[in-house]
Amino acid sequence: GDSVTQMEGPVTLSEEAFLTINCTYTATGYPSLFWYVQYPGEGLQLLLKATKADDKGSNKGFEATYRKETTSFHLEKGSVQVSDSAVYFCALFKGTNAGKSTFGDGTTLTVKP
Amino acid sequence: NAGVTQTPKFQVLKTGQSMTLQCAQDMNHNSMYWYRQDPGMGLRLIYYSASEGTTDKGEVPNGYNVSRLNKREFSLRLESAAPSQTSVYFCASSEATGGADTQYFGPGTRLTVL
Repeated sequence: GDSVTQMEGPVTLSEEAFLTINCTYTATGYPSLFWYVQYPGEGLQLLLKATKADDKGSNKGFEATYRKETTSFHLEKGSVQVSDSAVYFCALFKGTNAGKSTFGDGTTLTVKP
Repeated sequence: NAGVTQTPKFQVLKTGQSMTLQCAQDMNHNSMYWYRQDPGMGLRLIYYSASEGTTDKGEVPNGYNVSRLNKREFSLRLESAAPSQTSVYFCASSEATGGADTQYFGPGTRLTVL
C-alpha cells in the first residue's frame, strides 16, 4: 500500500538556521503531496502542497518540490524562527475518493533563540 | 466562520464506558474524517464519510462507530472504551472535488481511558 516516510525527529535548530525535513513516499499512480503543520495544542493545518511532478509548493518561506524520480518532497526553509516550532507532517493524497490520504509520522521542530 | 469544531476538548473515561465525540463543519464540505493521533504513529484514519449518507472504514475502525448526521455533522462513538483507545482524536473535512483535496482539521479531543 501507499506509505510516507519522514526523517525522524526531534530536530532542534537555532534561530536563522537552514531547515530541511526529508520526506519520501511510496505510491502507485500520481499522488498529490502535502505538508501540514501542527502547532502545540492545535489541529493540523495545510502548509503547502504540490499536485504533479516538478511542482514547487511554497508558503510562509517554506518550500518543497515534488520529485517523482526520487519519490521525495523535502521541506526547506532558509531561515527559521522561534515561531516555526511545531510538528510537521508530510502526506500524500491519491485518487478521487475521500479517505485516501496517507500521513507520515511527523517531525518535531524546536527553534531556539 | 468557525471551520471545524469538536466537543469535548478533554475527556476521561473508565474502561467499559461509552461516549460520543461530536464534530461539525461550516464550510459546506462534502467529506469528513475521524483520525487518531498517537505518539510516534502519525495520524491514522478511523472512519470517513465521502458524502452525506455514506460512511466507510479507515485503517483502524475496530471499537468505533460513526454517524454522518447531516452534511455538517459527523460523530464518533466509542461503545465500550478500552485503555488502548487513549489518544488524541481529530475530525477533518474537505471539499472532495476529486483533485488535491486540502483537509481542514478541528482542534482535537484528548481522551484518556483508565
